[in-house]
Amino acid sequence: GENVGLHLPTLSVQEGDNSIINCAYSNSASDYFIWYKQESGKGPQFIIDIRSNMDKRQGQRVTVLLNKTVKHLSLQIAATQPGDSAVYFCAENNGNSGYSTLTFGKGTMLLVSP
Amino acid sequence: EAQVTQNPRYLITVTGKKLTVTCSQNMNHEYMSWYRQDPGLGLRQIYYSMNVEVTDKGDVPEGYKVSRKEKRNFPLILESPSPNQTSLYFCASSLRLAGNTGELFFGEGSRLTVL
Repeated sequence: GENVGLHLPTLSVQEGDNSIINCAYSNSASDYFIWYKQESGKGPQFIIDIRSNMDKRQGQRVTVLLNKTVKHLSLQIAATQPGDSAVYFCAENNGNSGYSTLTFGKGTMLLVSP
Repeated sequence: EAQVTQNPRYLITVTGKKLTVTCSQNMNHEYMSWYRQDPGLGLRQIYYSMNVEVTDKGDVPEGYKVSRKEKRNFPLILESPSPNQTSLYFCASSLRLAGNTGELFFGEGSRLTVL
């Protein structure tokens, strides 16, 4: 959405830098996590997911790290490009709710300068 | 093309005038959900459906209704809209929410303004 970025923490990077977006989750029972990207005027899009039996998962230019001890999730984007500018959300899911809902974080805006 | 389609994309209405936002997916997904997105509050779930004829409340269901008579459709109904329902609404679907099929596919969003 066009005003999704209001009130959000913002990370500003230069093109070519690596970006790290962090997320703290609250439910210790959560065992499945997803990162979404939302570009202006569009719906969120899946980037990468990770289950709690893993600490790290890599995709194309993206890596998700999971630290269950401190309930922390991070998304690393390598060689950030202007097209990566968007709002990024982490989402968590757990079996206690029958895996019925994904709970989203508030989001982080990534701004990439050429 | 696999997609989630919402209509209308934009709507301005007045308090109390019933409206329906339609959502349709062509991926034979079991799971469908509605979210609203507001500045500073992120995405909050309104209702979800695990399968046909199975619906449940999310975090913010007040003022909304849904139905799931067919697998592909999951309309959101505002019986008597109020200004606090002014928001950006997203419909989403997933093959199943559990396990590795948890990827939610989102529609393009419906911006609703209630005067």
